[in-house]
Order: sequence, then C-alpha cells, then structure tokens
Amino acid sequence: DQQVKQNSPSLSVQEGRISILNCDYTNSMFDYFLWYKKYPAEGPTFLISISSIKDKNEDGRFTVFLNKSAKHLSLHIVPSQPGDSAVYFCAATPTGTASKLTFGTGTRLQVTL
Amino acid sequence: AAGVIQSPRHLIKEKRETATLKCYPIPRHDTVYWYQQGPGQDPQFLISFYEKMQSDKGSIPDRFSAQQFSDYHSELNMSSLELGDSALYFCASSLALRLAGGADTQYFGPGTRLTVL
Repeated sequence: DQQVKQNSPSLSVQEGRISILNCDYTNSMFDYFLWYKKYPAEGPTFLISISSIKDKNEDGRFTVFLNKSAKHLSLHIVPSQPGDSAVYFCAATPTGTASKLTFGTGTRLQVTL
Repeated sequence: AAGVIQSPRHLIKEKRETATLKCYPIPRHDTVYWYQQGPGQDPQFLISFYEKMQSDKGSIPDRFSAQQFSDYHSELNMSSLELGDSALYFCASSLALRLAGGADTQYFGPGTRLTVL
C-alpha cells in the first residue's frame, strides 16, 4: 500500500522554466512533509519541508505548497537549472520525535538546455 | 558542515555471511534511522534509535539487528545474508527538537551499497 505517491515518474523541463513536481498522500496522520533530491549512488539531500499548519514554504528557488484537504503537495523550482536534474522524493511523517519517513516513488527531473 | 558518515561505502558478501554497517551521525544529533533502498524502489524504513533506545521499527527482518552506542553512532548487523538483501542502505540522523506541531528533519548519509553474491 503506497501511502505517498508521485504519479509522474519523469519530467523534462527547459532551463529557466518552472519545474512542478507533485505528490499525493493517503495517511491522515502525516503532518510534516519533506522534499529530497537524490543523485545516483548518493544519499538523499534535504531540500525543503513544510508543516501541516502552513500551506506554503519558500527557500530561494524552491517553494513547497501543501493542500491538506486534498492531501496533495507540490514542489516548484523557479528558474530550473541543469544542476537540478536528479530524482526528487517526496516524504511524509507524523508529528513527533524519531518518526520514520514514508517516501514516494520519486520523480526524475531532467532540465534541458 | 559535517554530514552523516557511513562505512563501508561498498560491501560484497556471499550468501549466508554476515555484514556490519556503521553510521556516524551529524555531531550533536541524537537520533539515527536506517533505510533500505532496493533497485528502482523508494527507501524503506528499517529501524530508528533515539538517545540509544530503539524508537521505531519498520520492515526489518529478524536476521537484522541494530543498536546505537554511547557516542551516538549506530551499527546495523545483518546475518544469514540472502540475495534479496542486496540494496543501498542509508543512515539518517536528526536532532530531536520536540517542536509542537512539527517533526525533526532527517539528514542522510551517502549510503552503503551491499551486494550479496
């Protein structure tokens, strides 16, 4: 049972344009959400997070939007750069210390010149 | 800034052998997590420790055990290895902030690639 879903396995965007990566979840206990970027043979790198008490969090070129009623979140990257090409994982966890992350299946982003 | 350190980075073992993976968390982090990522899959939670006590347990086989030591580093011990144990094993660490309405951000190490032949 995939509790966190990323329905687009891949996405191709031109350099300078906006990249939008989507994530849906089913577990109502999740209330903290994170996005990680992953290169092959490396560990996931934390990008940005959002708590369920917010609907938007911004950090530089990265913005995460949360629609709690729809159980949907999205990551916007503006402007997209070739170095952003990687696999992006959405992850979710309930509130609390040492809570495990449940990951989505990932979206491979390719930023073209 | 210091990151999570994992050793070894690569490990090749035969079936039925044992393996020990080590994780050194970011300094001052008190919580350690282990995840397993099979080929083409998302990372799956195995086990976590907070202040040297087991905190949560996921789909970890009985053949695996782990612990967190007094210096907060952690070791994942894997016995009677099977071909299906071949995967990337990630360790992550966090600092338990105990924020109301929040959770702790986990920072991942580079992983150990285990190959079982």
